Amino acid sequence: DSGVTQTPKHLITATGQRVTLRCSPRSGDLSVYWYQQSLDQGLQFLIQYYNGEERAKGNILERFSAQQFPDLHSELNLSSLELGDSALYFCASSVGPGGTGQGEQYFGPGTRLTVT
Amino acid sequence: DAKTTQPNSMESNEEEPVHLPCNHSTISGTDYIHWYRQLPSQGPEYVIHGLTSNVNNRMASLAIAEDRKSSTLILHRATLRDAAVYYCILSADNYGQNFVFGPGTRLSVLP
Repeated sequence: DSGVTQTPKHLITATGQRVTLRCSPRSGDLSVYWYQQSLDQGLQFLIQYYNGEERAKGNILERFSAQQFPDLHSELNLSSLELGDSALYFCASSVGPGGTGQGEQYFGPGTRLTVT
Repeated sequence: DAKTTQPNSMESNEEEPVHLPCNHSTISGTDYIHWYRQLPSQGPEYVIHGLTSNVNNRMASLAIAEDRKSSTLILHRATLRDAAVYYCILSADNYGQNFVFGPGTRLSVLP
């Protein structure tokens, strides 16, 4: 158990809908990262927040947005869902802001999103 | 972004050492080398990271070539639980931590 929690575990929804995925980082961790893992694209970094501020951005679509709240939990909002958005979405956390010297990210169990 | 190249798959026998190679010929001077692994149906798990010197921890050892263009993750005694996909990653920037995961190496451990 990494200490990172994600809810829900599974989510099934229809195309065009909007969903919110939730992540609670490990106690004391200030950074939260979101990743998408699909069969054809592998594990892709989406976005990082550090202490409430956006820190790094990856291949995140405009239809997707995220935020980190004062209690440090984070939400990933996915809107206008398409079939291709079906994937595993992982949240990770780390103590610091990242940067090349800091190695450990702790990953949650993931949310499996199925868009029908 | 500096990229890494790993073999698609490797096999090992249980209780034997495993050497997982990674090539990163375009690594920059400030890039750290990170290794993560993903067990079936789980999120990735941190294994080890380093910059220039070899590193050891309870899980594995990381051997980094002198020119830093390649590295090797060493599992000293493979167990069945070590069967996973192993990812070698270089840090993409100095500000945040934008990991670029490649396809990794799928390690099978034979009993």
